[in-house]
Amino acid sequence: DAGVIQSPRHEVTEMGQEVTLRCKPISGHDYLFWYRQTMMRGLELLIYFNNNVPIDDSGMPEDRFSAKMPNASFSTLKIQPSEPRDSAVYFCASSRGQSSNSPLHFGNGTRLTVT
Amino acid sequence: AQKITQTQPGMFVQEKEAVTLDCTYDTSDQSYGLFWYKQPSSGEMIFLIYQGSYDEQNATEGRYSLNFQKARKSANLVISASQLGDSAMYFCAMREENTGGFKTIFGAGTRLFVKA
Repeated sequence: DAGVIQSPRHEVTEMGQEVTLRCKPISGHDYLFWYRQTMMRGLELLIYFNNNVPIDDSGMPEDRFSAKMPNASFSTLKIQPSEPRDSAVYFCASSRGQSSNSPLHFGNGTRLTVT
Repeated sequence: AQKITQTQPGMFVQEKEAVTLDCTYDTSDQSYGLFWYKQPSSGEMIFLIYQGSYDEQNATEGRYSLNFQKARKSANLVISASQLGDSAMYFCAMREENTGGFKTIFGAGTRLFVKA
């Protein structure tokens, strides 16, 4: 089975530019999560969706960040405008919600560098 | 408020020995789940083991076991017979099923070094 697929793997952009990160969850998984990982702050939950509906976006740092899930097989995380402090690894993860012991299945992450 | 605490930033263990990675958590939920993940230097996140708050037995998965002490709110990961490939970051995570929905939060992690 294909795992969670994220693109691009690496993104280098200049401050002020728009960045879009993409994620395809595992088929049949009804939960999708976006995390950000940095050395200083560790793994932070940004937002998560259930059945394509955002459930908790309290971790989204500010209005520059937005996330969408237009259908069950695709989600985007957009940063506009990007800033150097947004540099991090961004992970997408999906899970099946039918049982509480369902683990998160992570993608390989997108390493974002904002110069 | 910090809900998952991993107090060991780094740990060393000799190959073939056992090692315990500490994790304590804070929750007022009666129903919650605890997870451990491994992150090798290549960066991917790998699920290792799960323990539910109502599980009476400690979870085991091959060389991994979870030492669950509910009253102390600890969920330590025990790796038996360490291998060089176990060198990685290890994260403890919690899902509060009443107040948190399906939200899963992570501790700061412990970096394990396995010596030959």
